[in-house]
Amino acid sequence: QVQLQQSSPGLLKPSQTLSLTCAISGDSVSSKSASWNWIRQSPSRGLEWLGRTYYRSKWYNDYAVSVKSRITINPDTPKNQFSLQLNSVTPEDTAVYYCAAYDLYYWGLGTLVTVSS
Amino acid sequence: QSVLTQPPSASGTPGQRVTISCSGSNSNIGRNTVNWHQQLPGTAPKLLIYGNNQRPSGVPDRFSGSKSGTSASLAISGLQSEDEADYYCAAWDDNLKAWVFGGGTKLTVL
Repeated sequence: QVQLQQSSPGLLKPSQTLSLTCAISGDSVSSKSASWNWIRQSPSRGLEWLGRTYYRSKWYNDYAVSVKSRITINPDTPKNQFSLQLNSVTPEDTAVYYCAAYDLYYWGLGTLVTVSS
Repeated sequence: QSVLTQPPSASGTPGQRVTISCSGSNSNIGRNTVNWHQQLPGTAPKLLIYGNNQRPSGVPDRFSGSKSGTSASLAISGLQSEDEADYYCAAWDDNLKAWVFGGGTKLTVL
């Protein structure tokens, strides 16, 4: 059973960088059958998939068009976790952020991120 | 606006059967399998159905899923008060190269 532990919530100011990590137990971030996703949820945008990283003999990433210029998702193999970095945040990025594994089979508990001046 | 279309609300009385629809297109539901997620108030979404009609371990057989063409449905039989939640469909979109979701259906047990 895969379990995902997300890092602590945060309050950011506009233009700052959002950074979150998702620690994996019960599987390996380097698994060749897994994908590691970030999703956010807000009242205005609903559930929005942001991107994923996965390993198939080398590392790959897919990112949503809406955030492609600002997002980076990286694996951290020594710590068996993966991270989300979103640059130049605005109040529109205020949401609950979830990490999710495989084809969204397993979800973390969520982290509220608020962007406000 | 969400890529997949769901009714915003549904309701039923205890013991009834309710269905929730999810409409997409050839690039998502038409080519790929559909997941359904249940989100209880104040909690993270939880996988309810995967692969159109497969239940993860622990999900009661009162929940079932189906798919036809570019649409999918979630059926809940023997409705119970604890089924009151938001339900979301999801599928991979080959054109967007992204997971896409429905806007969610709020199920009320009367």
